[in-house]
Amino acid sequence: QKEVEQNSGPLSVPEGAIASLNCTYSDRGSQSFFWYRQYSGKSPELIMFIYSNGDKEDGRFTAQLNKASQYVSLLIRDSQPSDSATYLCAVRGGYQKVTFGIGTKLQVIP
Amino acid sequence: GAGVSQSPRYKVAKRGQDVALRCDPISGHVSLFWYQQALGQGPEFLTYFQNEAQLDKSGLPSDRFFAERPEGSVSTLKIQRTQQEDSAVYLCASSSGTVSYEQYFGPGTRLTVT
Repeated sequence: QKEVEQNSGPLSVPEGAIASLNCTYSDRGSQSFFWYRQYSGKSPELIMFIYSNGDKEDGRFTAQLNKASQYVSLLIRDSQPSDSATYLCAVRGGYQKVTFGIGTKLQVIP
Repeated sequence: GAGVSQSPRYKVAKRGQDVALRCDPISGHVSLFWYQQALGQGPEFLTYFQNEAQLDKSGLPSDRFFAERPEGSVSTLKIQRTQQEDSAVYLCASSSGTVSYEQYFGPGTRLTVT
């Protein structure tokens, strides 16, 4: 079992819709959770991090964390074609090591 | 030019050659990370430095991989006797504190071993 699981996609949504990206993790001791966006040929850039159960909102993005279910999600409202990218879920354990998932490719269709 | 920089951006090595990849973190950033990203995969953790101390090298795939950060700023990742399976993008990231809430990634070095 991989430490951080994501569906590789592609996930296709129409422009203006809500995109829902999901991630599960195996280490119950994990402390911080991150969503990165990676455009093709570019390096990852941080969108959001969350470390408490519940929701965290930033503009069109909402991260959701459920530690009991070991589940993290990212919602993107009013999806735009410029949101088309690979979204990487990442988890930090007890120290500094950050483990990434394979990434979900999102395609927003105009 | 306040971001993380890496050099070279592209490197082609013949199998068996040694390579050295350089990372210049954001000035003043305490933490520095190296990752390996194969095509179609997420970044895989290689090693972590806090200032000049290498606190975690559990992700280095073999003893052919070696990383250093002697003065707590610039870091070098060295790969000896390169193999084809070493072909990947090597990403460096830095963060300002000792807790990696936000890592800033460099553009990466694409290594191709022929």
